[in-house]
Amino acid sequence: EIVLTQSPGTLSLSPGERATLSCRASQSVSSSFLAWYQQKPGQAPRLLIYGASSRATGIPDRFSGSGSGTDFTLTISRLEPEDFAVYYCQQFGSSPLWTFGQGTKVEIK
Amino acid sequence: QITLKESGPTLVKPTQTLTLTCTFSGFSLSTSGVGVGWIRQPPGKALEWLALIYWDDDKRYSPSLKSRLTITKDTSKKQVVLTMTNMDPVDTATYYCAHSADGSSGDYWGQGTLVTVSS
Repeated sequence: EIVLTQSPGTLSLSPGERATLSCRASQSVSSSFLAWYQQKPGQAPRLLIYGASSRATGIPDRFSGSGSGTDFTLTISRLEPEDFAVYYCQQFGSSPLWTFGQGTKVEIK
Repeated sequence: QITLKESGPTLVKPTQTLTLTCTFSGFSLSTSGVGVGWIRQPPGKALEWLALIYWDDDKRYSPSLKSRLTITKDTSKKQVVLTMTNMDPVDTATYYCAHSADGSSGDYWGQGTLVTVSS
């Protein structure tokens, strides 16, 4: 079973700053099957990135994904007030089908 | 416009069986590649994938919960049902269903339903 480890646990930044979130897999993950989600308090997760670097429908271009193998990154180029949330990475595998990381909280500094 | 909504009991007793229904619109679960999955999130914790059913009735389960889970679909009613047996207080969580265009990620999610397990 592939384990996804996200770092840091919490990222304290100011609006306008750049956020860099890491997701490291215990084994190599196909880039086609790495996704990122945003979750705000009391809301369902929202798909941001799929296939490691493709933005989902309606996602602003300040969100970008990159990486391959075991190391993946979500970058928010300039934080907007609505971007402060928890972010999860997720991989698609054989068993279990979906595995999530433990999340990174992006909070206002 | 794709929408999903979870329904079921908000409170179940330990050892009981939980039955949750995901009612969806805006897509067909007979379209090739499409799947509907269930994911849960205990209060203050991370997401945990439970199960997914594909358009062709292929069913996948979390290995750690496989013995307790059953997922079924009713294509005509546009519903997916998840049952979880032998509920325990540690199963207290918000349960989400999600649409997946190809099974690899959830592109549309329901609002979630909080299920509390307590006597």
